[in-house]
Amino acid sequence: DTGVSQDPRHKITKRGQNVTFRCDPISEHNRLYWYRQTLGQGPEFLTYFQNEAQLEKSRLLSDRFSAERPKGSFSTLEIQRTEQGDSAMYLCASSFDTIGDNSPLHFGNGTRLTVT
Amino acid sequence: GENVEQHPSTLSVQEGDSAVIKCTYSDSASNYFPWYKQELGKRPQLIIDIRSNVGEKKDQRIAVTLNKTAKHFSLHITETQPEDSAVYFCAAKRRGSQGNLIFGKGTKLSVKP
Repeated sequence: DTGVSQDPRHKITKRGQNVTFRCDPISEHNRLYWYRQTLGQGPEFLTYFQNEAQLEKSRLLSDRFSAERPKGSFSTLEIQRTEQGDSAMYLCASSFDTIGDNSPLHFGNGTRLTVT
Repeated sequence: GENVEQHPSTLSVQEGDSAVIKCTYSDSASNYFPWYKQELGKRPQLIIDIRSNVGEKKDQRIAVTLNKTAKHFSLHITETQPEDSAVYFCAAKRRGSQGNLIFGKGTKLSVKP
């Protein structure tokens, strides 16, 4: 399967700990997105990268959250000092976009975070 | 900002019947409207999308219609099968906002054999 891959699939952590998730997009895709999904809700946009540049961040992305895409390929999402409200599925997606066009987002299977 | 409302939240149909899910959006600048299917524990998968320069698009048993004036779009599934059972999400994106795909809250479709 050459789709978007995310690691780990599940993460259980204690409140106050830091966690880091990884996303490997489809190789030829230039855009990478992070979304968060809680039970019974649609995915909520967090941030997105065009190659290595982080171009947009949601107000949901507090200063405890940081995302990087250092070489324009894989990306990491770090949450510092986790809180119980951070428990959710964190979804990564990628797309290949040209200027002015909207291309479909391809999602990974997500990382399910549980903060105890 | 954009707001996407989706109805109904749950839908139960008999196998072979049609299913219709409706969404409304608030931002008249939105011009891209995808639909995703998410099975339990799996990733959202794109099933069909429509851009604002067309009013309808079909792909086998699935069709999407868009009414820009009323700012609503709908998913139609005909001849439903048990494997169509899943949660379906609509979404909308503004021109120029490359990342900010806004999703509805989802519709849980159950197809009874």
